[in-house]
Amino acid sequence: EAGVTQSPRYAVLQEGQAVSFWCDPISGHDTLYWYQQPRDQGPQLLVYFRDEAVIDNSQLPSDRFSAVRPKGTNSTLKIQSAKQGDTATYLCASSSTGGESDTQYFGPGTRLLVL
Amino acid sequence: SQLAEENLWALSVHEGESVTVNCSYKTSITALQWYRQKSGEGPAQLILIRSNEREKRNGRLRATLDTSSQSSSLSITATRCEDTAVYFCATDTNAYKVIFGKGTHLHVLP
Repeated sequence: EAGVTQSPRYAVLQEGQAVSFWCDPISGHDTLYWYQQPRDQGPQLLVYFRDEAVIDNSQLPSDRFSAVRPKGTNSTLKIQSAKQGDTATYLCASSSTGGESDTQYFGPGTRLLVL
Repeated sequence: SQLAEENLWALSVHEGESVTVNCSYKTSITALQWYRQKSGEGPAQLILIRSNEREKRNGRLRATLDTSSQSSSLSITATRCEDTAVYFCATDTNAYKVIFGKGTHLHVLP
């Protein structure tokens, strides 16, 4: 079974540029998460979806960040006008509701450097 | 605010030794999870221990949970160089939202 895949693996931007990250969750997983992980910190939840619906985006900086999951499968996280403070690894995870475990399966992440 | 926190920033042990990582948390939980993250990879769940459980094992790993003191520990026996990673505890406050601590960096030396 293929794991969670993310692309690109790395991105380097100047401040003010835009970038999009793409995530393909494990097949059949209805819940998808985006996390931001600054260097030497734990992952911090930005937004999560159940199918195509946003369940919680309270930690997503809505002025510059947006996330969609239009068909309830793949998802895109976009940063408009990136800032140096956005430098971090962006992780995508997926899980399946209704099972015994609440296990989230993470992708390898996209490392973003904003100069 | 940090709802879960590992007690140490970093630990080092020699291969074959045992090691324990401790975690404290500040909120009522439905479960506590331990994750491992190796360099260049995403976190991987090691153990999920529910609030009505006191201990759970997974091979060389053993997790404990004390809800009265709001603390948990993860012990690794017979450590190997490949156990070198960052270990996170993470609290479940509802079924599908997990809050991570800052992590403990474990180095296993040959």
